[in-house]
Amino acid sequence: GAGVSQSPRYKVAKRGQDVALRCDPISGHVSLFWYQQALGQGPEFLTYFQNEAQLDKSGLPSDRFFAERPEGSVSTLKIQRTQQEDSAVYLCASSSRGMRYNEQFFGPGTRLTVL
Amino acid sequence: GESVGLHLPTLSVQEGDNSIINCAYSNSASDYFIWYKQESGKGPQFIIDIRSNMDKRQGQRVTVLLNKTVKHLSLQIAATQPGDSAVYFCAENNAGNMLTFGGGTRLMVKP
Repeated sequence: GAGVSQSPRYKVAKRGQDVALRCDPISGHVSLFWYQQALGQGPEFLTYFQNEAQLDKSGLPSDRFFAERPEGSVSTLKIQRTQQEDSAVYLCASSSRGMRYNEQFFGPGTRLTVL
Repeated sequence: GESVGLHLPTLSVQEGDNSIINCAYSNSASDYFIWYKQESGKGPQFIIDIRSNMDKRQGQRVTVLLNKTVKHLSLQIAATQPGDSAVYFCAENNAGNMLTFGGGTRLMVKP
């Protein structure tokens, strides 16, 4: 079946531009996560949704980062006024239930480059 | 695809040999651990997990060992194959649903 998909796969933005990254989770998955992965490092947690509710946004690095999942399926991560330090791969993951021990399935990521 | 982990520790093994990848975790409250494999240009892929009430768990060609005393986790891959070449991350969970990933190890398999 279809896995987690993300679009665009690559995004180049000029410093100061706003960007929107999309995640399509596996159909029916309750939980959705966003992670940021800098080059050469492991993914770092950004935010977590259970259905449409954003239950944890403790990892968002600044108020320029905003995520939403209005209908409990597709999610969008928006970064306003991008900075060079925002350059990274943004990974989305989903899991079937809102429980700790459920496997998180990752998408291929969106590589954001801010010039 | 994009290269993941240009400056990661690297383990180089001969095809057919066993591989051992190690990970130290920092939070003694963590009670759930997962190993992920990440190939270039792809997202992390689940390999195997273990809860803190166990010290060993086996899958197909993979074994995870957990030593809570020294906060150490290892992944053993038997009969390593070229398709095992990737970056491997351990991740821990101590509350809620977020995962905390380690720094990763690049595994290179020589034919």
